[in-house]
Amino acid sequence: GQQVMQIPQYQHVQEGEDFTTYCNSSTTLSNIQWYKQRPGGHPVFLIQLVKSGEVKKQKRLTFQFGEAKKNSSLHITATQTTDVGTYFCAGKGGDMRFGAGTRLTVKP
Amino acid sequence: NAGVTQTPKFQVLKTGQSMTLQCAQDMNHEYMSWYRQDPGMGLRLIHYSVGAGITDQGEVPNGYNVSRSTTEDFPLRLLSAAPSQTSVYFCASSYSKQFFYYGYTFGSGTRLTVV
Repeated sequence: GQQVMQIPQYQHVQEGEDFTTYCNSSTTLSNIQWYKQRPGGHPVFLIQLVKSGEVKKQKRLTFQFGEAKKNSSLHITATQTTDVGTYFCAGKGGDMRFGAGTRLTVKP
Repeated sequence: NAGVTQTPKFQVLKTGQSMTLQCAQDMNHEYMSWYRQDPGMGLRLIHYSVGAGITDQGEVPNGYNVSRSTTEDFPLRLLSAAPSQTSVYFCASSYSKQFFYYGYTFGSGTRLTVV
């Protein structure tokens, strides 16, 4: 069945360093979504990508959707302590499947 | 707007007990779903609904029932609680149009412990 894999599982960075998380699907996706979950909170929708090769930016965050629509990435430039949390990708093949998430910690 | 409201926020059950987790949304979203979140396993889909009267199973449906009698409400029933059902449960809803789904709005979650 459809699987969505996300790496790395954990990432610890110094404030100001960049951060990237990668998402790979076993099947072609119609779209991919990204969410952020703060510790003790609930997932909050960040963005959705639909087109092959699509790139979208939100301030310091850059999201990419692969040409084959089977992979995606989220890149954060110059991390801040407010970026702390777990970042999830979610891909729709049949139903919506979430990756296991990348937990980001930032040292001031 | 309240968004997606889940109750209760915390619950402790004994093995074998049944209970219903409530979920309500006021955004007139057709699509609603239930996920469970366990450490290191992300969010796993339990059941979902594309509209009132329509439900379907997700990735991990065993031990859970759902119904969708109205657009607003999507309760999740645990039939006979087991320790393996200890988890955090999230309800989510989404606007959809012609089978295209937009970003999910999640409730604040129900933390369930089965002893």
